[in-house]
Amino acid sequence: DTAVSQTPKYLVTQMGNDKSIKCEQNLGHDTMYWYKQDSKKFLKIMFSYNNKELIINETVPNRFSPKSPDKAHLNLHINSLELGDSAVYFCASSQDGSPNTEAFFGQGTRLTVV
Amino acid sequence: GQSLEQPSEVTAVEGAIVQINCTYQTSGFYGLSWYQQHDGGAPTFLSYNALDGLEETGRFSSFLSRSDSYGYLLLQELQMKDSASYFCALGNQGGKLIFGQGTELSVKP
Repeated sequence: DTAVSQTPKYLVTQMGNDKSIKCEQNLGHDTMYWYKQDSKKFLKIMFSYNNKELIINETVPNRFSPKSPDKAHLNLHINSLELGDSAVYFCASSQDGSPNTEAFFGQGTRLTVV
Repeated sequence: GQSLEQPSEVTAVEGAIVQINCTYQTSGFYGLSWYQQHDGGAPTFLSYNALDGLEETGRFSSFLSRSDSYGYLLLQELQMKDSASYFCALGNQGGKLIFGQGTELSVKP
């Protein structure tokens, strides 16, 4: 059983398009995250949700809109895709969002904008 | 703000011991974690230090000195499968992780 699963694994799309990435965790965790990893492998947090409520938004452009229909799901919708959005996007979850809890990451979605 | 520094790459031979250092700057400290990421894979948790000292988990150990804002990951009895990127990360309220830029470890036969 995959703990944190995200789809699709690969996404190639043209500039200006709108796309979504889905994420589900079956660990019963309260907190979920989106991280972006650029071509230099730098991992940066984008959003954090706790029990469907947004708690962290790291000055991400408005074109990125997360949605959490329930605490097991956190989807990421991106409008008007730009070349600079090309990256690997990782969904993650942790038990309760406390600083000492282990984060479990999904396998990533490699987004390429052409 | 928060920032972390670690070496960009380290090379070692199978069976050796390697230490990956991490220095950090933060106004509030909640702990230092280490994650491993193989090429094309997901980051996976290795260890966490909130207090000074050494935490040992099998072949991997992690050390923290809060007074020096410094930690390291020690990998013993290196195996080829340990070739990966290793990230130190500062924990925060809400579970937010601030990652260093990663250290690429190459293990040679």
